Amino acid sequence: DAGVIQSPRHEVTEMGQEVTLRCKPISGHDYLFWYRQTMMRGLELLIYFNNNVPIDDSGMPEDRFSAKMPNASFSTLKIQPSEPRDSAVYFCASSLASLNSYEQYFGPGTRLTVT
Amino acid sequence: LAKTTQPISMDSYEGQEVNITCSHNNIATNDYITWYQQFPSQGPRFIIQGYKTKVTNEVASLFIPADRKSSTLSLPRVSLSDTAVYYCLVGSDTGRRALTFGSGTRLQVQP
Repeated sequence: DAGVIQSPRHEVTEMGQEVTLRCKPISGHDYLFWYRQTMMRGLELLIYFNNNVPIDDSGMPEDRFSAKMPNASFSTLKIQPSEPRDSAVYFCASSLASLNSYEQYFGPGTRLTVT
Repeated sequence: LAKTTQPISMDSYEGQEVNITCSHNNIATNDYITWYQQFPSQGPRFIIQGYKTKVTNEVASLFIPADRKSSTLSLPRVSLSDTAVYYCLVGSDTGRRALTFGSGTRLQVQP
């Protein structure tokens, strides 16, 4: 298996632009998570899905952030409009309900820079 | 989720055994203890998970005393490639599968 796939790996954009991050979870996994990592705040959960349904979005910073999972093999995290403080590494992770409760598989991340 | 406390950083040398202890005084009856490893510029990687006593896999061992208020991740004979940040997490399998990461322990292995 290729593991969790994220694209793009790097994104540089200007303040005010829309940014879309993409994630393909491991085939067969029924949980999908979006995390954000910065030096100041560490690794934070933004939102997670179970069977394509959002379960907990309490970590989404504000209305500028939105996430969708139209099918079991694809999810997007959108920021509109982007701001410099959104600069971070965004990770997508997936897991299988039958595995150990907290065994998640992380993607390589998308490094976002907003200038 | 129960709060965890672990050392900010540790240093070791190649070939030594490294033990990283995590304190979780408020652990609940249903909580499991999970450890992740993160290399620079990579996503975290699951290492090991346990509930009580000892768990061992090909990467590490996890020791959990009877009161479960702490746990120790043991890495045998570390190498330079074990240099990473190690996170201890505590949570229960009661529906919420999300992880709450703390600051972790930055392990630096010297030659």
